[in-house]
Amino acid sequence: QKEVEQNSGPLSVPEGAIASLNCTYSDRGSQSFFWYRQYSGKSPELIMFIYSNGDKEDGRFTAQLNKASQYVSLLIRDSQPSDSATYLCAVTGSSNTGKLIFGQGTTLQVKP
Amino acid sequence: EAGVVQSPRYKIIEKKQPVAFWCNPISGHNTLYWYRQNLGQGPELLIRYENEEAVDDSQLPKDRFSAERLKGVDSTLKIQPAELGDSAVYLCASSLWTGTYEQYFGPGTRLTVT
Repeated sequence: QKEVEQNSGPLSVPEGAIASLNCTYSDRGSQSFFWYRQYSGKSPELIMFIYSNGDKEDGRFTAQLNKASQYVSLLIRDSQPSDSATYLCAVTGSSNTGKLIFGQGTTLQVKP
Repeated sequence: EAGVVQSPRYKIIEKKQPVAFWCNPISGHNTLYWYRQNLGQGPELLIRYENEEAVDDSQLPKDRFSAERLKGVDSTLKIQPAELGDSAVYLCASSLWTGTYEQYFGPGTRLTVT
């Protein structure tokens, strides 16, 4: 079992729709959770982080965390073609030392 | 505020040759990371520095990889000798502890070993 798992996709949504990206993790003691966006040929860009159960909203992005289910998700409202990218989920382990463990990423395609 | 700077951006070398990558973190960030990202995968940590000290190098292949962070600012990652399997993007990131480790990445160095 991988430490952080994501569906590689591609996930295809029409412009204006809500895109839902999911991630599960194996270390029950994990403390901080991050979402990065990576355009093709570019480096990862931090979108959001969350460390408490529940929802955290930032503009069109909402991160959701459920530690009991070991599940974190990212919702993108009013998806735009410019949101087309690979979205990486990253988790710090229970030691919370700053080491990020990344999933393989989910490719999102937003079609005009 | 300037971001993380890396050089070179691209490097093509023949196997068995040495190669070095340089990173300058965001000003004031005391934690520096080197990651390797293979195609279609997420980044994997190679080494983490807190100031000058390498506090996590468990994933660094020490037989051929070395790193240093002199004076707790710039860092260099070296591979000697390079192998075909080292072809990847090498990413440097930095962070400042603010209750979480928000890490910011540089543009990366794309290494091709032929």
